[in-house]
Formats: sequence, structure tokens, C-alpha cells
Amino acid sequence: DAGVTQSPTHLIKTRGQQVTLRCSPKSGHDTVSWYQQALGQGPQFIFQYYEEEERQRGNFPDRFSGHQFPNYSSELNVNALLLGDSALYLCASRPQDRSRYGYTFGSGTRLTVV
Amino acid sequence: GQQLNQSPQSMFIQEGEDVSMNCTSSSIFNTWLWYKQEPGEGPVLLIALYKAGELTSNGRLTAQFGITRKDSFLNISASIPSDVGIYFCAGLSNTGNQFYFGTGTSLTVIP
Repeated sequence: DAGVTQSPTHLIKTRGQQVTLRCSPKSGHDTVSWYQQALGQGPQFIFQYYEEEERQRGNFPDRFSGHQFPNYSSELNVNALLLGDSALYLCASRPQDRSRYGYTFGSGTRLTVV
Repeated sequence: GQQLNQSPQSMFIQEGEDVSMNCTSSSIFNTWLWYKQEPGEGPVLLIALYKAGELTSNGRLTAQFGITRKDSFLNISASIPSDVGIYFCAGLSNTGNQFYFGTGTSLTVIP
């Protein structure tokens, strides 16, 4: 049973460019959250998607946007990249059965902006 | 937003020693969690705590949910080399939609 899968694993972009990161949730999970983890810091919540809608958003600018597809997979888009956007981007999914606690994190996408 | 402060920031211990770390928050949480993160990986859940005062164990790991609901503690007994990693506390928002992570404790175990 595959866990949460993220792609790509590593990415290098130039300032001002746009990037799309992808996440496939664990089987049986329907909710996807995205987190940004800067080097040496704890993850920071970006937003959460459920039923193809953004349900909650953290303190991130509109340059960060997302999408969820009918198969529950999700994308994170970041426009007009800044050097400070360099970080590990983590995806976490939650089970459809809410009686089972179980947010599962993927291994992340390491984004480097130069 | 909520601030979760962890201490110590880093620890260097001998194999076999016990480890204690804690986490404090400026806000109340109804659920506390402890995660471990290894290089190149995402956080992996170690222990989840759901009630103030709760004490829960997972093998050599024991965590407690503080009675004020603003703090939590994690203890690791008889440390082994594979315990190396960064340990994060996290509080789950009342909506259940968002984690607030601590600043992390880096653990190094010297064989």
C-alpha cells in the first residue's frame, strides 16, 4: 500500500518563474494539506483541500495556489518565485474514515530557487 | 499565529541514556502530537495525545499532554543509534485541519 507520493523529489527554479508540485494521497485518504518547511524550521501550513475546494489557508500570499482533482490528488502552484520560497514542500493526507486518526506525510519536494 | 517552542534545540547523548524534551505553546490545543523526521523524509507520527493529563507510550517513547493544554513532553528511554533525527511537537487546530509545528529538537546518539 503506497503512502503519500510527491513529485518531483527535487527541483531547481529561477527567481520569477512558476512551479507546480504534485501529491497523490494515500489510498483511502481524501483530504490533502500542504506545508512549507524552511531549512532548520518546523513545517508551516499553507492550505488544505477537501472535495476539490480550499478549506483552510495559512499565512501565505496569493502567489501560492492549489488544486484538488476528483481522484483526490493535488497540486501546489507557486508563481513569481522568490529566493525565500526555497524549502521542502510537504504534502499530508487524511483518511476518509475520520474515526481513524492518521495524517500521513509524504517525503516532500525540495525546491531550490536561484 | 500560534507559537510552539521546543527545548532543547539539540541534544548529544550516549547510547543507552534517556532523553527528555518538551514543547510549550502560547495557545491551548486539544490534540498534541509528536513526530520524528529523518533527512530527506517527511515527518512520521510517533505519538498522538487527545486528553489533558494523558500519558501515552509507544515502545521506548512516552509522551504526556500537559494539564494546562499548553505543553507536552516526550521521553525516550535507553536511546539507540536509530533514534537519531529531529523531533517535532505539533498542536492540531480545533478545526482538525491544521498542524502548528514546534521548532524541533535535533537528537544525536553517540554509540
